[in-house]
Amino acid sequence: EAGVAQSPRYKIIEKRQSVAFWCNPISGHATLYWYQQILGQGPKLLIQFQNNGVVDDSQLPKDRFSAERLKGVDSTLKIQPAKLEDSAVYLCASSSRGAVPQETQYFGPGTRLLVL
Amino acid sequence: KNQVEQSPQSLIILEGKNCTLQCNYTVSPFSNLRWYKQDTGRGPVSLTIMTFSENTKSNGRYTATLDADTKQSSLHITASQLSDSASYICVVSPSYNTDKLIFGTGTRLQVFP
Repeated sequence: EAGVAQSPRYKIIEKRQSVAFWCNPISGHATLYWYQQILGQGPKLLIQFQNNGVVDDSQLPKDRFSAERLKGVDSTLKIQPAKLEDSAVYLCASSSRGAVPQETQYFGPGTRLLVL
Repeated sequence: KNQVEQSPQSLIILEGKNCTLQCNYTVSPFSNLRWYKQDTGRGPVSLTIMTFSENTKSNGRYTATLDADTKQSSLHITASQLSDSASYICVVSPSYNTDKLIFGTGTRLQVFP
């Protein structure tokens, strides 16, 4: 079974520039998550999709961050404009959202963003 | 406030030795608790998952315990290997949203030869 794919793996930009990350979840997984992980901290949920609908985006800084999952499969996360404090690893995860409530979330390798 | 705290923040042990990592949480009501391993530069990988009715779960050399009364969990690693060097993250899901993961800050384990 192929895992969660993310690209790019690394990105360096200057503040006020824009950047986009892409995620391809495990085939058949209806639920997709974007997390932000700052160095030395645990991941923080930014947004959760169920198919192509948003379930939770309460911690997404909507003035600069946006995400979409138009066809219920791939997803993109965009930051515009970027700030220095956005430097972090952006993790994408997916789960099958089956009948079992403790369904495992599978994480991608992450995109490491550095804002200069 | 729902929180997950882990100790120690970092740990250094010699190859072959055992170690135990601790997790305390205040998440309530509680659905399940997971332990993830995160290698440097990689995403977290699930090691164990326990519901409130389970008090132990093993995955090879990893054994997790859970005391739902005291809201404590531990991850015991037996006969450590160099490949165990990673961050270990305790993650709790509340009953009101089992998709929601509340992450601890992790314990950074380094295993030396």
